[in-house]
Parts: sequence; C-alpha cells; structure tokens
Amino acid sequence: EDKVVQSPLSLVVHEGDTVTLNCSYEVTNFRSLLWYKQEKKAPTFLFMLTSSGIEKKSGRLSSILDKKELFSILNITATQTGDSAVYLCAVEAPSGTYKYIFGTGTRLKVLA
Amino acid sequence: DTGVSQNPRHKITKRGQNVTFRCDPISEHNRLYWYRQTLGQGPEFLTYFQNEAQLEKSRLLSDRFSAERPKGSFSTLEIQRTEQGDSAMYLCASEAALRGYTEAFFGQGTRLTVV
Repeated sequence: EDKVVQSPLSLVVHEGDTVTLNCSYEVTNFRSLLWYKQEKKAPTFLFMLTSSGIEKKSGRLSSILDKKELFSILNITATQTGDSAVYLCAVEAPSGTYKYIFGTGTRLKVLA
Repeated sequence: DTGVSQNPRHKITKRGQNVTFRCDPISEHNRLYWYRQTLGQGPEFLTYFQNEAQLEKSRLLSDRFSAERPKGSFSTLEIQRTEQGDSAMYLCASEAALRGYTEAFFGQGTRLTVV
C-alpha cells in the first residue's frame, strides 16, 4: 500500500533556529512530491519536486528530493513565529487516475 | 477571488441527518479532488473527478457518501445519515490537467460536526 511518512510529528524551536523536516515515501508509479503549509484552514502550496538533487528555494525555505532513497527534506532557516504551522508532504502517485497521498504532517511551533 | 471556494465553512448537524457541501474550483481546472482531514492527520483522499467523470473513489467512502460534478465545474459532496465519525474537515482541491507538472490548490474546507 502506498504511504507517506513525515518526521518529526511535532517540533518546537525558537526564532532564528534552522529546522529540517523529513518526508519519506513508498509508492508505486511516483510522479512528484509536494510540500504544503497548513496554518488554520487550507493547505497552501510551497514546492513541487520531480527530479532528484535539484534544490528548490523560496526565501528562507528550501527543499530537495532523493528519488533513490525515497525521501525529501524541507529546510527553514532563521525561523520566525509566522512559520508556525503544519507542514504537509504529499506524493502524486497516479495509478490509473491521479491522486495525492499525504503524510500526517509535521507541526512546527516557533517561539518568540 | 479566483481561488477554490467551499460552502458552507462550518456545518453542525444532528446524527442521522443528511448534509451537502459545495466546492467551486478554480475556473478551467478540470481535475477536482475531495479530501477529508481529522485532527492531527493529513488529508485523506476521498474521490477524484476529471471534468464531470468521477474516476476514483476511495475505499474510505461508504455508501452514505456521494459526490457529483454534473457539468464539470462545481462539485457537491453529500453525506447521508451522518454519524459522529463523519465529523472532520472536508477539503476540496482543484488542478489544471496540463502537460507537465501542476499542483493542486485547496479550498478553505468545510468543517462538519455531527452531534
């Protein structure tokens, strides 16, 4: 059965710290891996990764995919209280039809 | 606002009642997904439409759940004879089926509480 596992489940850091969130997956027919940030309601899109070893960056956030070892990491440098959220990893693994398989998320809390 | 819109935002219902949620996707997005999310969990896939065709339905979806997308635009999710275990956030997402890779955009969700 396809699955996506995120770690840690939760994390508490202080402003200015750097955090690394992990996402590993076991799916058939991998197509892409996506990171979303969920604060109160809708998950908002952060990154899509399709190729190994190519880092995607957006400000203080960056992410990279390893298709050989089947994992991805999301890094956040110089964390701010506004980074507090649940970070969701999703894998697009079409098997006849398209759907995303989500991990349980990592709950990040950044203290002032 | 050109994002994914869901209505209502909150719904409280008594056990045994029927409820219907609506999702208006981003215009011209032909893929539409319904997910269910409970506290502390990631979204769980429920069903998927390509235009008006429902192409996949999760085993999680009992016979009490039905979804439609009659004209390939908005979609409705109906739950009949609601149970307390149906209490969750129901998320809708839409995506454009283009060549290459695209991401799904989520609506704000409908939070259902069954009492």
